[in-house]
Amino acid sequence: DQQVKQNSPSLSVQEGRISILNCDYTNSMFDYFLWYKKYPAEGPTFLISISSIKDKNEDGRFTVFLNKSAKHLSLHIVPSQPGDSAVYFCAASGVGAGSYQLTFGKGTKLSVIP
Amino acid sequence: DGGITQSPKYLFRKEGQNVTLSCEQNLNHDAMYWYRQDPGQGLRLIYYSQIVNDFQKGDIAEGYSVSREKKESFPLTVTSAQKNPTAFYLCASSTGNTQYFGPGTRLTVL
Repeated sequence: DQQVKQNSPSLSVQEGRISILNCDYTNSMFDYFLWYKKYPAEGPTFLISISSIKDKNEDGRFTVFLNKSAKHLSLHIVPSQPGDSAVYFCAASGVGAGSYQLTFGKGTKLSVIP
Repeated sequence: DGGITQSPKYLFRKEGQNVTLSCEQNLNHDAMYWYRQDPGQGLRLIYYSQIVNDFQKGDIAEGYSVSREKKESFPLTVTSAQKNPTAFYLCASSTGNTQYFGPGTRLTVL
């Protein structure tokens, strides 16, 4: 049973336009959410995170939005650049003894077309 | 330079052999983790350790073992009991909610 879902395996966007990557979760105990970027044969790189007490967090070209009632978060990249082409993973963690554990989605492959 | 190192980058082993993957961090993080990634899949947690001399099973611990004798080191042994060991293995560490990853080890069992 997937607790974190990224329903779009791939996304193509023109350079300079906005990229929107989506993520849904089912576990209401999740209270911290992260986005990672991953190139082939490399480890994931942390991009941005958001706590459940916020609905938006911004860092340069990257903005994460959280809609707790819908159990949905999204990552906006604007403007998109060819170097943004990678697989993006959404991850979530919850309160309690397992609070440091992350549950990952299966990833969305973003291709930014020059 | 602070970071997480994993060695080697590529590893080949014959079926039935145990193999140990190295993970070292100099970030002074208390918690360390091992994940496995298969093609088209997300990262799945194998084992994690929140403190020295203590570790817990993750979602897919069968066929794996770990030790945490030093804060900086968290080696993973892939035993012959692991039915499908060929995968990309990632080590991570954290001092809070955010985990930072090493470069990974690609293990291929022939």
